[in-house]
Amino acid sequence: DTGVSQNPRHKITKRGQNVTFRCDPISEHNRLYWYRQTLGQGPEFLTYFQNEAQLEKSRLLSDRFSAERPKGSFSTLEIQRTEQGDSAMYLCASSPEAPYGYTFGSGTRLTVV
Amino acid sequence: GDSVTQMEGPVTLSEEAFLTINCTYTATGYPSLFWYVQYPGEGLQLLLKATKADDKGSNKGFEATYRKETTSFHLEKGSVQVSDSAVYFCALLGGTTSGTYKYIFGTGTRLKVLA
Repeated sequence: DTGVSQNPRHKITKRGQNVTFRCDPISEHNRLYWYRQTLGQGPEFLTYFQNEAQLEKSRLLSDRFSAERPKGSFSTLEIQRTEQGDSAMYLCASSPEAPYGYTFGSGTRLTVV
Repeated sequence: GDSVTQMEGPVTLSEEAFLTINCTYTATGYPSLFWYVQYPGEGLQLLLKATKADDKGSNKGFEATYRKETTSFHLEKGSVQVSDSAVYFCALLGGTTSGTYKYIFGTGTRLKVLA
């Protein structure tokens, strides 16, 4: 088990472009989470999937953000029409049914120029 | 809502000094409490946790005790090393409306240890 894998590690994009990140959770974990960490802050919850169903979304997740988890395996997070304020580290985590065993990936660092 | 407050950094110490990073929380119910560490350019690593009042979490010489009466979970280490230089996050794991659990993190405290 290689843990939670996120790709790419770094992404630089021009303002207004669309970007997509991928997260591969630990295979036996049915719960998947996205968090965002801006510079100098702690990570903040964005959204949660149980299997393929997106069950919770934070108010931080604007209309330009969309997340999917087809077939309950990997997940993608897409940001449309990126803005400079979207620059952050995007962290994915997965967990089993129980609250413990929550494991974070290394994150995707997005820079919007 | 739930929240975590931790002392602002940066904290600069000499090697072998004693470390305390303060953390207090506000929560409904009885959350589990955690310390995570983030080294430069890396992701979050779980350092230690405590799941109920009076529990002490410990790892790699770091320890923290879950104090319900003071709603605190202060991180301590008796003798820091240069390799401990990192950002430390206090966090609680609380329930959500959809029946899962999510973290509430503090803003992080940067520790710099000088040789």
